[in-house]
Amino acid sequence: ENVEQHPSTLSVQEGDSAVIKCTYSDSASNYFPWYKQELGKGPQLIIDIRSNVGEKKDQRIAVTLNKTAKHFSLHITETQPEDSAVYFCAAPEGTTDSWGKLQFGAGTQVVVTP
Amino acid sequence: ETGVTQTPRHLVMGMTNKKSLKCEQHLGHNAMYWYKQSAKKPLELMFVYNFKEQTENNSVPSRFSPECPNSSHLFLHLHTLQPEDSALYLCASSQVPRGSLYEQYFGPGTRLTVT
Repeated sequence: ENVEQHPSTLSVQEGDSAVIKCTYSDSASNYFPWYKQELGKGPQLIIDIRSNVGEKKDQRIAVTLNKTAKHFSLHITETQPEDSAVYFCAAPEGTTDSWGKLQFGAGTQVVVTP
Repeated sequence: ETGVTQTPRHLVMGMTNKKSLKCEQHLGHNAMYWYKQSAKKPLELMFVYNFKEQTENNSVPSRFSPECPNSSHLFLHLHTLQPEDSALYLCASSQVPRGSLYEQYFGPGTRLTVT
């Protein structure tokens, strides 16, 4: 599995929306999590989506999945300074593996300016 | 303590030293992972343990030696490291194969500097 993430950095004004996109290579992949990593902390799971749905929302964040195009995106609306962090997408390394191995994207540094 | 804890949080060691990183999960999970996080690079999976058995070793050099005495504790023993091994080492845990497959919970990491 190869996971590509874009952009590598994203600057937005407070209140605007931010979108991060990831593509994956294994069409059998069925689980797509997003992690947020703040400075000095480990990655924190913020939202995930499984292949049987196309969109999932949780307050100001949402994830969309396009299985045909093999890409999924993170959407953050009404951004706030506390949304500033590095965001990682991930996809499973194979669906037959039961040990939960994930392949991560390179990360997106999001900076929200007041 | 809750979640996944790691100690120490920061470690500076010389290339001839021997040290160990410790990870403990308080989530009742049965799988634990070591990752290496270097600047500008994706998270690199190093080792996977499931039910205390090592199920994955992603071609990691032998100067890194994992140990999993039980399903709650994971160690990474370090010896004769190289400067390029300087990175943030993250531990994670999950419940596999049942439960939320692939849902991993990370610790805060150990920032390692090799001089």
